[in-house]
Amino acid sequence: GAVVSQHPSWVICKSGTSVKIECRSLDFQATTMFWYRQFPKQSLMLMATSNEGSKATYEQGVEKDKFLINHASLTLSTLTVTSAHPEDSSFYICSAPDSSGGSTDTQYFGPGTRLTVL
Amino acid sequence: AQSVTQLDSQVPVFEEAPVELRCNYSSSVSVYLFWYVQYPNQGLQLLLKYLSGSTLVKGINGFEAEFNKSQTSFHLRKPSVHISDTAEYFCALNAGGTSYGKLTFGQGTILTVHP
Repeated sequence: GAVVSQHPSWVICKSGTSVKIECRSLDFQATTMFWYRQFPKQSLMLMATSNEGSKATYEQGVEKDKFLINHASLTLSTLTVTSAHPEDSSFYICSAPDSSGGSTDTQYFGPGTRLTVL
Repeated sequence: AQSVTQLDSQVPVFEEAPVELRCNYSSSVSVYLFWYVQYPNQGLQLLLKYLSGSTLVKGINGFEAEFNKSQTSFHLRKPSVHISDTAEYFCALNAGGTSYGKLTFGQGTILTVHP
């Protein structure tokens, strides 16, 4: 099946620094990717939809200036957490659909990135 | 708005026993429903999905789920579990229309299969 990778798998940073997380579709092209956030013992919450060649669409309550998304190619989307603070510590997961990004598509998920902000 | 509720956060069972993981949803529109499994240190993997048609959906690894519109449920079942089924299971929905691939997830159920 299709594979989605994320890098890094975990990162520890100091408060105030920025962290970039990469999401790659390894054997298929993805014009759309999704970024989720998961707090301990809670569900995955959709943060934003990443669109290749255009601006990302953010869910209500997600600060677009804090979570910068760039979908520069058909196989790569990046999430940059700017000026990270301890409350940004979380598990970040990306997904990519196997087709055009419609409601019935199967989503392929990356293994996630654990961010810890000290 | 839509929501998904997984009624059990943890389900312990013995090997070869049957299991049911419960999922209820709320939505004002028709939905597509999914079950995903997450093994340790791996990404979520699709088990099965209900799009339309037969309400009984069969997935991988011997799992099946039944869509019940009147009870707004999509419970996952397996008649005989294996140790290798130990993982976290997520129920999710897509509200269709302009939702595209966006999923709303339940809280997850950790299934632990004991020998």
